[in-house]
Amino acid sequence: AQKVTQAQTEISVVEKEDVTLDCVYETRDTTYYLFWYKQPPSGELVFLIRRNSFDEQNEISGRYSWNFQKSTSSFNFTITASQVVDSAVYFCALWPNTGKLIFGQGTTLQVKP
Amino acid sequence: DAEITQSPRHKITETGRQVTLACHQTWNHNNMFWYRQDLGHGLRLIHYSYGVQDTNKGEVSDGYSVSRSNTEDLPLTLESAASSQTSVYFCASSESTGISFGNTIYFGEGSWLTVV
Repeated sequence: AQKVTQAQTEISVVEKEDVTLDCVYETRDTTYYLFWYKQPPSGELVFLIRRNSFDEQNEISGRYSWNFQKSTSSFNFTITASQVVDSAVYFCALWPNTGKLIFGQGTTLQVKP
Repeated sequence: DAEITQSPRHKITETGRQVTLACHQTWNHNNMFWYRQDLGHGLRLIHYSYGVQDTNKGEVSDGYSVSRSNTEDLPLTLESAASSQTSVYFCASSESTGISFGNTIYFGEGSWLTVV
């Protein structure tokens, strides 16, 4: 089975806190891509990052960082020093070699001032 | 700037009517997709196209059709709208570099459809 699980349905933090959004995926394919998208209250889907299965290097982009661990089939997303503008629904997605892009259910992040 | 646009952004229609959602992209991407987003189901693939005259069924294609007569457009048609098709619809596209797998998919702003 090919699947993406975002176990955290909703997370609420206070501004400036660090927060990690979990993503666990399942696939038997050895070649696959992982993505994170952000959906702010306005509704559009914004691409954040793309990672292929052969690149396990962690990535940092400003306050955003991603931790990819094939051993645990996880691709977690951390926001450092969260801001109110980070409030959104975040989707993790898997594109396995033998299938199409599969989305997790999403995690709603609320950052309170 | 190149972009992907959907229209209408909001529509209310009656059960049984035919509805067409337009999608236009200016990136010259070969690959185009339609997804629907529903609470509890996340985003699900309806139809996709890898080029002109190419269309394929996705996970939830029943009651929907698409046609691809040029690179820029992939209209989604609901043949006979049903209340179960009330949803948010997203069009998306990605570049094709010979292998369509894994390229970043960019989404439009969404079309909110209500079937009453």
